[in-house]
Amino acid sequence: GQQLNQSPQSMFIQEGEDVSMNCTSSSIFNTWLWYKQDPGEGPVLLIALYKAGELTSNGRLTAQFGITRKDSFLNISASIPSDVGIYFCAAPYSGGGADGLTFGKGTHLIIQP
Amino acid sequence: DTAVSQTPKYLVTQMGNDKSIKCEQNLGHDTMYWYKQDSKKFLKIMFSYNNKELIINETVPNRFSPKSPDKAHLNLHINSLELGDSAVYFCASSRHEGTSGSREQYFGPGTRLTVT
Repeated sequence: GQQLNQSPQSMFIQEGEDVSMNCTSSSIFNTWLWYKQDPGEGPVLLIALYKAGELTSNGRLTAQFGITRKDSFLNISASIPSDVGIYFCAAPYSGGGADGLTFGKGTHLIIQP
Repeated sequence: DTAVSQTPKYLVTQMGNDKSIKCEQNLGHDTMYWYKQDSKKFLKIMFSYNNKELIINETVPNRFSPKSPDKAHLNLHINSLELGDSAVYFCASSRHEGTSGSREQYFGPGTRLTVT
């Protein structure tokens, strides 16, 4: 199956800083999704992207669907303590069927006081 | 009002036992899924169900069997549990939209399964 390469694996930042992470693949996708997972909880959908070049915001979060359709980016501006968690990119799984998702390995965001 | 709920939250059992995890969604979605998250937080799809038909079956041991009594429920049955089955299992749901499907999946809170 296809693999999503997400980076960085972890980030140690200070409150107020901006954050950038990305996801790349050798496969072309029609959809990119970004999720956040808090400890002990399930992933929560942050942003969904459906068109190459699309730039979509959700509060302080902005995500972009790469022009090549092989990558996506997520930016968080002016980070706050509640931004701590694991951020996952996801794209449609191509192992069969039409609705499954394959996930990146996640970016662990840690905010230092 | 929980959109996707799972029970139990925690499940501790011994090797060789049979167990079930229940999932319910009140979003009116017609497709439901099960994912497994390992100790390194890697999420991998196991199954999906659309209109009571299995449309994805990843290379999962046949000890795992999803059962959907209706569109709002997808339960996961696991027979002869093994140590390697220890993980967090997530249920999810989405609305199917034509051939492209709906990619926006909504997840439950997870069930942490520990096999001793």
